[in-house]
Amino acid sequence: SQQGEEDPQALSIQEGENATMNCSYKTSINNLQWYRQNSGRGLVHLILIRSNEREKHSGRLRVTLDTSKKSSSLLITASRAADTASYFCATDDSGNTPLVFGKGTRLSVIA
Amino acid sequence: GAVVSQHPSRVICKSGTSVKIECRSLDFQATTMFWYRQFPKKSLMLMATSNEGSKATYEQGVEKDKFLINHASLTLSTLTVTSAHPEDSSFYICSARRTGTNEQFFGPGTRLTVL
Repeated sequence: SQQGEEDPQALSIQEGENATMNCSYKTSINNLQWYRQNSGRGLVHLILIRSNEREKHSGRLRVTLDTSKKSSSLLITASRAADTASYFCATDDSGNTPLVFGKGTRLSVIA
Repeated sequence: GAVVSQHPSRVICKSGTSVKIECRSLDFQATTMFWYRQFPKKSLMLMATSNEGSKATYEQGVEKDKFLINHASLTLSTLTVTSAHPEDSSFYICSARRTGTNEQFFGPGTRLTVL
């Protein structure tokens, strides 16, 4: 089953702009992770945020987590054409459960 | 780093044949592995949880006799798509959880096309 929804489903921006993607989930979580997937390729792990964390940064990525709203956002600053990909959030509710993926956002960055 | 490989990376087969996909953890042991399926422009859907030395646990709606899973060692799980049909064409991705941790690492995926 799928845990959550990404919003928007598709996003098209100009190079240099910021891209914000949101993820909502339904049940309590242990961790929330964001992945990137280029078309037809495997997953690339971007960042993990724990349920007791509210914000995390990694390079041009900024992730926030609001457990009261059961939502997370991924911000990519100063986007590049190479950021074009699908982005998925994934959650687990304990250390022993598999990751459950959201529906994903397809990001297109136009040079 | 932890690397998970899948073999083959892509396979084309005729309808009615069976296809085996291997998932290996190359530099760590994985008591538990997971199999996901992804249709074009869709998200990953969990198919089953594979546990070393025991039967796999299948998600609702996934036929266990259709998708045979064997996890015979701490570094290898196999998914066999039996009597494949065109609707089984998909991208199959495995992940492996490092034994004793919550870390889960993904393979590069296998593209299955059934003609």
